[in-house]
Amino acid sequence: ETGVTQTPRHLVMGMTNKKSLKCEQHLGHNAMYWYKQSAKKPLELMFVYSLEERVENNSVPSRFSPECPNSSHLFLHLHTLQPEDSALYLCASSLLFAGGSYNEQFFGPGTRLTVL
Amino acid sequence: AQSVTQPDIHITVSEGASLELRCNYSYGATPYLFWYVQSPGQGLQLLLKYFSGDTLVQGIKGFEAEFKRSQSSFNLRKPSVHWSDAAEYFCAVGARGNKLVFGAGTILRVKS
Repeated sequence: ETGVTQTPRHLVMGMTNKKSLKCEQHLGHNAMYWYKQSAKKPLELMFVYSLEERVENNSVPSRFSPECPNSSHLFLHLHTLQPEDSALYLCASSLLFAGGSYNEQFFGPGTRLTVL
Repeated sequence: AQSVTQPDIHITVSEGASLELRCNYSYGATPYLFWYVQSPGQGLQLLLKYFSGDTLVQGIKGFEAEFKRSQSSFNLRKPSVHWSDAAEYFCAVGARGNKLVFGAGTILRVKS
């Protein structure tokens, strides 16, 4: 596997289900991100993990719970979602340099989530 | 706060014609600028980036972009569009904390 992978690619769940999205990066990066992409809305940054520590949480509802057990893996745990949470969830990773200088993010193919 | 505006929601061009997609940004310091492309059902692929130096940057698939500080713009261009270029294109600015702020995207349709 190369780049950033995400599983599953498609997920249909009921509002009472609990499920998890998985992301894995094979690029040796040290920062990982979750984005939400809804129809007709700009990409929304949900969470940022840098060196496995969550450094950003953009007022995301508590029904979304991220987990970053190591620098290569990122999970998004889902429970009691609402139909408006249906979207494409994208994972990305990047390499952060000392001093915080910027570097590009590499994206996975996304998980298409449908909440019934 | 940082923001990115892509004024055109949809653009249709004929195959072989030239293309320019517009992007304007708002950022207080020297910006880090990116163009990404997304094909249906896929993630985002980086086309090109500007960090510093030459204001005309070359990217993959024959794309280029020009950074114009005076106009706060970073427009994407391609001299001759191919049918496979049909996709959605996103401009983004790198914000503090290695975050990306995206524009709303421009959907490119290519007619034969």
